[in-house]
Amino acid sequence: KQEVTQIPAALSVPEGENLVLNCSFTDSAIYNLQWFRQDPGKGLTSLLLIQSSQREQTSGRLNASLDKSSGRSTLYIAASQPGDSATYLCAVRGRGGGYQKVTFGTGTKLQVIP
Amino acid sequence: DVKVTQSSRYLVKRTGEKVFLECVQDMDHENMFWYRQDPGLGLRLIYFSYDVKMKEKGDIPEGYSVSREKKERFSLILESASTNQTSMYLCASSLLGTGVNEQFFGPGTRLTVL
Repeated sequence: KQEVTQIPAALSVPEGENLVLNCSFTDSAIYNLQWFRQDPGKGLTSLLLIQSSQREQTSGRLNASLDKSSGRSTLYIAASQPGDSATYLCAVRGRGGGYQKVTFGTGTKLQVIP
Repeated sequence: DVKVTQSSRYLVKRTGEKVFLECVQDMDHENMFWYRQDPGLGLRLIYFSYDVKMKEKGDIPEGYSVSREKKERFSLILESASTNQTSMYLCASSLLGTGVNEQFFGPGTRLTVL
């Protein structure tokens, strides 16, 4: 059974810092990994999706990497801003148990202090 | 832009009531999903559907049923609401098939059962 872990559960940084959020998964047989952002009381907004054959994806100040063999992904946020404060979730689409299966981590709650 | 809408942002119901949560997507996606999100437990899949009138159980289907009569609409039904079904409910959609399958989420429905 796929398990997805995000550490730390919460992170507080001063504005302007570069930061890294971590996501680890136990089963490397995946189709893709997706990073989401969730603001309080809201739905999930897709940030980046990395296919299993890719190593990284970039969008603006965000860069996500994937190391399938070690079961890890990182989300790098450059020059953090207060508007980046949110909970960040990673989700892995696995191949086992029906390929539609997506397993979510419990998220890292990020606070960027002005 | 993909748009996934949910019928209500907030809902308050009484124990034993029948509850309908509606989700509509406008991108002709084959797959639709219902999740619930609880603190410390993350997102858990209740049901998903990959075609009209087709449905598959997720991880926690007990106490729920679904209906997909039209491709763009996926309904979650709580036959007899209970207090332990108080939660945030999130609907998502994606294309069918392997590959990208990026999931797009609605804004969520915060359901309180008294």
